[in-house]
Amino acid sequence: DGGITQSPKYLFRKEGQNVTLSCEQNLNHDAMYWYRQDPGQGLRLIYYSQIVNDFQKGDIAEGYSVSREKKESFPLTVTSAQKNPTAFYLCASRERDRLSTGELFFGEGSRLTVL
Amino acid sequence: AQSVSQHNHHVILSEAASLELGCNYSYGGTVNLFWYVQYPGQHLQLLLKYFSGDPLVKGIKGFEAEFIKSKFSFNLRKPSVQWSDTAEYFCAVSISSGSARQLTFGSGTQLTVLP
Repeated sequence: DGGITQSPKYLFRKEGQNVTLSCEQNLNHDAMYWYRQDPGQGLRLIYYSQIVNDFQKGDIAEGYSVSREKKESFPLTVTSAQKNPTAFYLCASRERDRLSTGELFFGEGSRLTVL
Repeated sequence: AQSVSQHNHHVILSEAASLELGCNYSYGGTVNLFWYVQYPGQHLQLLLKYFSGDPLVKGIKGFEAEFIKSKFSFNLRKPSVQWSDTAEYFCAVSISSGSARQLTFGSGTQLTVLP
């Protein structure tokens, strides 16, 4: 089945440590996204990538980094510089073609807790 | 930049009651509008979308939404809710340029349906 796989589902980290969240899709989508979901704040865009080897900052990119070396993969690193990293992280993808429906497909999310 | 407002943070209804969740956006140009739903423990999924044509859009599971351009609104409705509709609902707006950057989510509305 086509879809988006995020791992790990749950992750605990000590303060000061970097952690990388995995996102893999087999939908052949060009565009991929990382959102952060906090209670009462909806989804906020961290980074996005419209094509391999290219990505742009979203609204809350500080303390995060990404790479896009392969079309299928868009890992997110939460660095020690992120002041409030405990959150639920969602990866999404969609077709890049402007004539597409624009619908986003989401993974099941990764819940990061910083101890 | 566009913004999306969802007026109700938490709505509690009894089964068979009618539902209307508000969504307003701020952008003067052409928009694409979406409602996503997140059932407990599941990933976000598309409920319905509006791109053009009939402003009354029907989605899955008996949901519908009406785009009222003059009011910048895209309210979600269901005539008779079920316990299984308990979920968090997100409104989202995308500028019709097709840019990956411009999908903005509201803060979400938690719907609890009592059996």
